[in-house]
Amino acid sequence: AQSVTQLDSQVPVFEEAPVELRCNYSSSVSVYLFWYVQYPNQGLQLLLKYLSGSTLVKGINGFEAEFNKSQTSFHLRKPSVHISDTAEYFCAVSQNAGNNRKLIWGLGTSLAVNP
Amino acid sequence: DVKVTQSSRYLVKRTGEKVFLECVQDMDHENMFWYRQDPGLGLRLIYFSYDVKMKEKGDIPEGYSVSREKKERFSLILESASTNQTSMYLCASRWDSKSYNEQFFGPGTRLTVL
Repeated sequence: AQSVTQLDSQVPVFEEAPVELRCNYSSSVSVYLFWYVQYPNQGLQLLLKYLSGSTLVKGINGFEAEFNKSQTSFHLRKPSVHISDTAEYFCAVSQNAGNNRKLIWGLGTSLAVNP
Repeated sequence: DVKVTQSSRYLVKRTGEKVFLECVQDMDHENMFWYRQDPGLGLRLIYFSYDVKMKEKGDIPEGYSVSREKKERFSLILESASTNQTSMYLCASRWDSKSYNEQFFGPGTRLTVL
């Protein structure tokens, strides 16, 4: 069975500071990895995803994530955050085989960017 | 752009009422999903549909049913609403069942059951 752990439920940070949101997963098979963002009062949208190839993945709004197979991690980073990055961030994983239809979700990390 | 719309942003119902939540996507996606989102519990899958008239239970199907008569529309039904179904409900769609495809989400319906 697969599982996803987001290590921090809340991350407060000051504007223009760097941030890292941590995500670890467990799986006995290869996986695809995703980060989604949910801005206040909105649905989720895809930030970035790792399928294969380069372990450093760049996404929208200046975010990037690094896949580390040995550590089974997929941490999300941004070198300088803005107030507008305040949102809920979800890490998710799906099995890299056939037509697996479901995503396994982490519980989310609430990023609060303060002026 | 893919658009996923949900019939209501906010809904207030009474215990025991039958509640319909509607979701429509405009990009001919095969897969559609219903989740509920609660603080501290993340997203939990209620039901998903991988094609018209096809459905599969998710992790928390009890107290819910679904209907997918047309490809673009996926309805979530609460047969007899209860207060513990007060939640944010999110609909999503995906091009097909390939697990590398992203899901596109609607804005959500915040349901309150009194």
